[in-house]
Amino acid sequence: DAGITQSPRYKITETGRQVTLMCHQTWSHSYMFWYRQDLGHGLRLIYYSAAADITDKGEVPDGYVVSRSKTENFPLTLESATRSQTSVYFCASSDSGYQPQHFGDGTRLSIL
Amino acid sequence: AQTVTQSQPEMSVQEAETVTLSCTYDTSESDYYLFWYKQPPSRQMILVIRQEAYKQQNATENRFSVNFQKAAKSFSLKISDSQLGDAAMYFCASRGSNAGGTSYGKLTFGQGTILTVHP
Repeated sequence: DAGITQSPRYKITETGRQVTLMCHQTWSHSYMFWYRQDLGHGLRLIYYSAAADITDKGEVPDGYVVSRSKTENFPLTLESATRSQTSVYFCASSDSGYQPQHFGDGTRLSIL
Repeated sequence: AQTVTQSQPEMSVQEAETVTLSCTYDTSESDYYLFWYKQPPSRQMILVIRQEAYKQQNATENRFSVNFQKAAKSFSLKISDSQLGDAAMYFCASRGSNAGGTSYGKLTFGQGTILTVHP
């Protein structure tokens, strides 16, 4: 089915571990985004990508790494997880910079 | 740079009544879009309505409408004939629409308002 999918839906890990959140979209949208959602902050942009091999930092990029070798995939890696990175993570995509963004169902990540 | 502020952490409404959620924003962009997203307990982010800043006419989608006051940088959401299924967290967001702007393509969200609908 067409859409945007995130995996896993839930993840529990320990501090210091590396963890990768996956995002896959089937629309061939140019733009892809990663947000984190925390109580009292709404959603905040971590990284975004305007096309394959083009990525840029958002509001809260520290501690995260992204790559985009293929248009449809945009994985987010926490290289050494910290408790402050416990959050719900959303991936989104859009066809252009001004079209509405379509969101995945989110990944709830808990770091113990 | 963009900032979006939702000053109402929680709101409640009786079923079939009308409720208005408030949002104020600030932006350095000359052209931009404003959005309201709904997030039910399922965690999905659902686009409710969007407004293009250069349009003076307020956007409407069925029971949802906005009051866009550009000079005041205000963008409130009115939900008419509230239904139990409207209960959710609502987020206001802005996004620059100039390709050369720093906010182009990137959504900036408010803190959210939790809406409870009483039967």
